[in-house]
Amino acid sequence: DQQVKQNSPSLSVQEGRISILNCDYTNSMFDYFLWYKKYPAEGPTFLISISSIKDKNEDGRFTVFLNKSAKHLSLHIVPSQPGDSAVYFCAASNYGQNFVFGPGTRLSALP
Amino acid sequence: NAGVTQTPKFQVLKTGQSMTLQCAQDMNHEYMSWYRQDPGMGLRLIHYSVGAGITDQGEVPNGYNVSRSTTEDFPLRLLSAAPSQTSVYFCASSYTRTGGMHTQYFGPGTRLTVL
Repeated sequence: DQQVKQNSPSLSVQEGRISILNCDYTNSMFDYFLWYKKYPAEGPTFLISISSIKDKNEDGRFTVFLNKSAKHLSLHIVPSQPGDSAVYFCAASNYGQNFVFGPGTRLSALP
Repeated sequence: NAGVTQTPKFQVLKTGQSMTLQCAQDMNHEYMSWYRQDPGMGLRLIHYSVGAGITDQGEVPNGYNVSRSTTEDFPLRLLSAAPSQTSVYFCASSYTRTGGMHTQYFGPGTRLTVL
């Protein structure tokens, strides 16, 4: 059973609009969360993180929200740009342990 | 800095063949790991190392061996390749596994096909 779920395999959004990517987890011990972005034929690159002591973290156009009671986090991209088209992975960790990755969501930001 | 490098980029093997996927990093990272990526499965941890001479199993270790003789290198060995090992393999490194406050840097991946 997957501990980290990304239930939308793909998402399309118009350039300039908001993209919202969702991630759910089942292990209540997870306390640190990452989002990675992956282009074809490249390795994943780190995008943004959040620890369980926060409910929001911003970095430029990217904001991650964490709802611990719902075991849910989301990544908001505002405004979306064509260069944001990639696969986005959510990952979670229990303090000091290895990360568990979700299956990914493919975002298509259309011009 | 080259970051994390992986060789080869592509490989085709026949069932039963063995091979080694190479991974190297030049960031003096203690923690290194190997993942495989399969459609709909995300990245699954195969083996990891918290420092030279120390390795441990991840979620899907069967059929793979690793060693860590230096800080820089972390090769992954397939002893007897099987079609189920057809996948894209990523190596990653970071300063440390502990504390949770670290970022993993990934290599570009090796696409392996086992016939």
